[in-house]
Amino acid sequence: ENVLTQSPGTLSLSPGERATLFCRASQSLNSYYLAWYQQKPGQAPRLLIYGASNRATGIPDRFSGSGSGTHFTLTISRLEPEDFAVYYCQQYGSSPWTFGQGTKVEIK
Amino acid sequence: QVQLQESGPGLVKPSETLSLTCTVSGGSISSYYWSWIRQSPGKGLEWIGFIFYSGSTNYNPSLKSRVTISVDTSKNQFSLKLTSMTTADTAVYYCGRLSLNSPYWYFDLWGRGTLVTVSS
Repeated sequence: ENVLTQSPGTLSLSPGERATLFCRASQSLNSYYLAWYQQKPGQAPRLLIYGASNRATGIPDRFSGSGSGTHFTLTISRLEPEDFAVYYCQQYGSSPWTFGQGTKVEIK
Repeated sequence: QVQLQESGPGLVKPSETLSLTCTVSGGSISSYYWSWIRQSPGKGLEWIGFIFYSGSTNYNPSLKSRVTISVDTSKNQFSLKLTSMTTADTAVYYCGRLSLNSPYWYFDLWGRGTLVTVSS
C-alpha cells in the first residue's frame, strides 16, 4: 500500500499569507495519479488539483501543485478567507487508492 | 448539472449488512467509473471500491471480503453492500464519480455524504 504522509498537520496563517502543504508517498508515484482536495466542515471534498499540477475547472490560480516521485506540494499563494479548510492528497497509482491524513489550514 | 445523492439507513446493528444507493441525476451513469469512499474520525478518508457502468469492479483489498458494488443503469444508480458491520465501519459514506480525463484519475464529482452509525 502506498502510504501518503501529509505535513504539517496544522498550518496557522493569516489571510494574504502563502501556504505550502506537503504530501510524501511511501512509494514512487506517476504524477498523473496524484490529486489534491479541499474539504470544509460538513461538506464533501472538492477537487483542486489533478495530475499533481493541473488545476480543476473553476479553481483560482492562487492554487498550484507541483512535485514528482515521492514528494508533492500544494501551494496557496495568498490565502483568502474561504481557503481555510482541510486539504488532502490522494494517489491513484496503485491499489488500494489512498489518501493522506490531511493538513488543516487555520486562521492565525 | 450532474449530481449524486446517497441514500440508505443511518443506523445499522453490529453484524448486519449495510446497503447504500447512489442516484445519479442530471446525466447518464454510462461511460463512467463510479466509486464509494468513506470518512471516519479514526481512519480518515478511505477508498472502498469502484465500478464501471458495464459492471466491472475493483475493491480495496482491506474490505474486499465484505464489499459488493453493483450498478443499475436503468435506474441510473449504483449501490454498496458491506457485510458484517462493526463499530469500526461507522463513517460518512460518499459516492463519487471518476473522471474520464485519461490518463488522469481523480474524483471530479462527490455526493454530499451520508452518516452511517453502527450501534445496537
